[in-house]
Amino acid sequence: GENVEQHPSTLSVQEGDSAVIKCTYSDSASNYFPWYKQELGKGPQLIIDIRSNVGEKKDQRIAVTLNKTAKHFSLHITETQPEDSAVYFCAANAGGTSYGKLTFGQGTILTVHP
Amino acid sequence: DVKVTQSSRYLVKRTGEKVFLECVQDMDHENMFWYRQDPGLGLRLIYFSYDVKMKEKGDIPEGYSVSREKKERFSLILESASTNQTSMYLCASWRRENTEAFFGQGTRLTVV
Repeated sequence: GENVEQHPSTLSVQEGDSAVIKCTYSDSASNYFPWYKQELGKGPQLIIDIRSNVGEKKDQRIAVTLNKTAKHFSLHITETQPEDSAVYFCAANAGGTSYGKLTFGQGTILTVHP
Repeated sequence: DVKVTQSSRYLVKRTGEKVFLECVQDMDHENMFWYRQDPGLGLRLIYFSYDVKMKEKGDIPEGYSVSREKKERFSLILESASTNQTSMYLCASWRRENTEAFFGQGTRLTVV
């Protein structure tokens, strides 16, 4: 089955700096890669996603890049703010008969210091 | 506003008890999932269902079962709770593959 590895497990940055979180996946059939943000006491919430026919996607201060050949994808947050502090999860899905089954990475605790 | 609601935020149960975790979604989604969240391990899939009365094992189904009698409701059952099932449990639903998954707020279960 699919295996997703996420690094780093913790990331601490100063407000205004950039943050990068990286994930690798094992199943070459995976074609959908979402990123979720989990704030304290809440369930994860989708912040951005990318499909395998696209190399990069941006939404204001966040962007995701995908390298299908190397089987890795990354989340980039620019101009970080204290409210970006949360746990971030990457995920991958092969679609097809997996019925939208998402395999998640281990999570990254991002702390943005004012 | 879309909603996935889990019946309890916090639960404390004794070893050997039968435990029911309930999840309800109001979005008419076909797919529903139960994940377990543990520090350093991310979210691990326990069971999922893609239709009423249908269920599939995820990556860590041992010690758990599920029930989906109605489209909007997906229940996770711990037949005989054990201390190693102390964890955060998250329910999610989505309409079809490769679309946004909506999560409940989670149930923190402690088995003593």
